[in-house]
Amino acid sequence: EVQLVETGGGLVQPGKSLKLTCATSGFTFSNAWMDWVRQSPEKQLEWVAQIKDKSNNYATYYAESVKGRFTISRDDSKSSVYLQMNSLKEEDTAIYYCTWTLWGWGQGVMVTVSS
Amino acid sequence: DVVMTQTPVSLSVAIGQPASISCKSSQSLVGTSGKTYLNWLLQRPGQSPKRLIYLVSKLDSGIPDRFSGSGSETDFTLKISRVEADDLGVYYCLQGTHFPYTFGAGTKLELK
Repeated sequence: EVQLVETGGGLVQPGKSLKLTCATSGFTFSNAWMDWVRQSPEKQLEWVAQIKDKSNNYATYYAESVKGRFTISRDDSKSSVYLQMNSLKEEDTAIYYCTWTLWGWGQGVMVTVSS
Repeated sequence: DVVMTQTPVSLSVAIGQPASISCKSSQSLVGTSGKTYLNWLLQRPGQSPKRLIYLVSKLDSGIPDRFSGSGSETDFTLKISRVEADDLGVYYCLQGTHFPYTFGAGTKLELK
């Protein structure tokens, strides 16, 4: 059974940092392209970032809204993908989902940026 | 960025009746491989999104054949032949051809 479990969310002040972790199981993670997607309080879904596999040189892609502030990474030995979020803004407040090929989705983790 | 325009915003359908949702993209979704990376997702209340259809018309495993997807280039449609109670929620189209990937704003399916 495919499982994706996000952790690391919480309440953080503007300008601060947070790191999300997505632990996976049930598929060959080392071959997987992984994405982070977020859903705003208004329920709009927004793609955030993607990381490809080793054969694609772990290439990364970002939404313009997070480029330069967020970093996606992975640890194939732990079957995990990460999202380092720096210089957080109030508009980053959302539920963050990790997803495998946009088919498998985690339960999501809430990130609230507020003073 | 590719803009995905989804209509209608909401849909009220009786059990057993058909439903149809449209999604139009601001540019062609045909990729360099010749494939069209258009997906349909359903988010039931309180749940994560779930993909129903990929590559315009391919049903994901376990998705009933009451669901079907069609279209090409910039114009796509999701159809439910006979709506069931389990189908309620918000449907999103999602293009995965061009970075950044972009979603439609969603269509809320309610039962009449």
